[in-house]
Amino acid sequence: LAKTTQPISMDSYEGQEVNITCSHNNIATNDYITWYQQFPSQGPRFIIQGYKTKVTNEVASLFIPADRKSSTLSLPRVSLSDTAVYYCLVGLYSSASKIIFGSGTRLSIRP
Amino acid sequence: DTAVSQTPKYLVTQMGNDKSIKCEQNLGHDTMYWYKQDSKKFLKIMFSYNNKELIINETVPNRFSPKSPDKAHLNLHINSLELGDSAVYFCASSNSVGELFFGEGSRLTVL
Repeated sequence: LAKTTQPISMDSYEGQEVNITCSHNNIATNDYITWYQQFPSQGPRFIIQGYKTKVTNEVASLFIPADRKSSTLSLPRVSLSDTAVYYCLVGLYSSASKIIFGSGTRLSIRP
Repeated sequence: DTAVSQTPKYLVTQMGNDKSIKCEQNLGHDTMYWYKQDSKKFLKIMFSYNNKELIINETVPNRFSPKSPDKAHLNLHINSLELGDSAVYFCASSNSVGELFFGEGSRLTVL
């Protein structure tokens, strides 16, 4: 199972773009990259998933280079409500049971 | 209308007691899970059920016994509670593409 490495914490300010990078050097050919967001006292919530290049939805963008050994979650114009823990996960597209949560990145947004 | 709901949200009990946490999902998913999140915020999978059948049982003491009466419910019973069992327990379900949907968590405190 692919292990992920991401920064323990990050700080930013309202209105800024935040990029959180995740390393997954031993990602397998069939693995997808998924990001979850967790607010205090809540369960994680799916943000975005991708396999290669770029994926964008109403919440974030996910950039994946050609070698797929890393990925970057981009949050445009963050607000205070984006303060949360962000988890990068790598695993089979259809097999959530094999996905392992790492320690996540604690993102703090300041006014 | 809550997608994955678990009760109780808070549980405070003495060592040695037995307690249960209930989980229900109304998303029509076939697969459900129990995760444990400790004080360091690591999320670890404990059990996974697919259509009422156990498919994953990680290294968890046999004091923990899941039970799935139907595919919409996955309950967790814990016998002889220990201090180290104190954590937040999350129930989740997943769709056909592996996206996880979590409940709000049940915070267990063992005194």
